[in-house]
Amino acid sequence: QVQLQQWGAGLLKPSETMSLLCTVSGGSVSGFFWNWVRQPPGKGLEWIGEINPAGSADYLPSLKNRVTISVDASKNQVSLNLKSVTAADTAVYFCVRDHCPGGVCYNYWGQGTLVTVSS
Amino acid sequence: DIQMTQSPSSLSASVGDRVTITCRATQGIRNNLGWYQHKSGEAPKRLIYAVSTLYSGVPSRFSGGGSGTEFTLTISSLQPEDFATYYCLQHQSFPYTFGQGSRLE
Repeated sequence: QVQLQQWGAGLLKPSETMSLLCTVSGGSVSGFFWNWVRQPPGKGLEWIGEINPAGSADYLPSLKNRVTISVDASKNQVSLNLKSVTAADTAVYFCVRDHCPGGVCYNYWGQGTLVTVSS
Repeated sequence: DIQMTQSPSSLSASVGDRVTITCRATQGIRNNLGWYQHKSGEAPKRLIYAVSTLYSGVPSRFSGGGSGTEFTLTISSLQPEDFATYYCLQHQSFPYTFGQGSRLE
């Protein structure tokens, strides 16, 4: 059974860097599409970015100059880094693994990490 | 960017009702559309991919349809566990975009 486990600091000060990790039990991080999604308090889901199996990433334009998604196969983990956070980055963050072998798709979500930005 | 507009934004329904949620895209997205169910305090749950294919384990009372720019999620007979917020997601082009959500209450 594939399970995604998220880790990271839940309380940050403005201007700090947010670093979240997502690890996989029962599977690998390699060879999959990895997305990060967030939900600010009281708002809907917002897509942050995706890294593909080849290691190429795309991001939400409004975050593009602050965000990095990477995969470390040696540690079997995926990371999300967001620089210079502000209160607007307060949200629950989710990692998501997708793949569609032979046209049948599989989609797994981490449990979510609440990140609060406050001075 | 492709914008996704869901309607209704909220819907009052009862157990046993048939419910349909619509998602409209600002441009054609072929079959690159999925639906997710989200309950507060939990991770979203995947329901449908490629417009109409159910993920493994999703009850058959859920169905998806549509084409081009207009898509629907239908729950044929609401069950108590279906009261949640539903989101569509387009992955035709970056940035991927969610609809604003439809709250079923």
